[in-house]
Amino acid sequence: GAGVSQSPSNKVTEKGKDVELRCDPISGHTALYWYRQSLGQGLEFLIYFQGNSAPDKSGLPSDRFSAERTGGSVSTLTIQRTQQEDSAVYLCASSLVSYSEAFFGQGTRLTVV
Amino acid sequence: GQNIDQPTEMTATEGAIVQINCTYQTSGFNGLFWYQQHAGEAPTFLSYNVLDGLEEKGRFSSFLSRSKGYSYLLLKELQMKDSASYLCAVLILTGGGNKLTFGTGTQLKVEL
Repeated sequence: GAGVSQSPSNKVTEKGKDVELRCDPISGHTALYWYRQSLGQGLEFLIYFQGNSAPDKSGLPSDRFSAERTGGSVSTLTIQRTQQEDSAVYLCASSLVSYSEAFFGQGTRLTVV
Repeated sequence: GQNIDQPTEMTATEGAIVQINCTYQTSGFNGLFWYQQHAGEAPTFLSYNVLDGLEEKGRFSSFLSRSKGYSYLLLKELQMKDSASYLCAVLILTGGGNKLTFGTGTQLKVEL
């Protein structure tokens, strides 16, 4: 595709349910990032994939959060047993190589009620 | 760990010049990006510095001093559409590649 695509664009879920957020990066981009942004706040780093290297999971806030990237392309961020504090916009970004500019998707707005 | 600091808010007048500062403390520094983010939208790339000095791109310029852990974004001839959040992001070299870490952003308001 022309850009980074995220789905769904909006997700409302009940507390305690699991959710899956999807990111389709730009074709050929080797680096993929997940960030979380609460209203009026900066981007909180969650996880980073670079090629075939082990992902950098140092930003995941708890063991309820996990992510995978299949075939070096599509990535899925899973949040288990969602809590109200998980409500935020989840942004995915990809870059051609790890030191080039990152292109962002439009994000998934997650609301936990 | 790493620490990236920016002012939270700034206000400037249309047509004027504004400088947004960013200081950082981190190991494995491998470059600095500036991004612009309008409310409700995704961040978009503005500039990248890896060596000391000034990079100019139209009305926007970015400066880096690696020895001082300091960067600034300079916006000239401000327009109302420049009202946005400006995010400083540091590229950190890790075992698995380069990790892009963001500051909290500076909310710029351009007034008439």
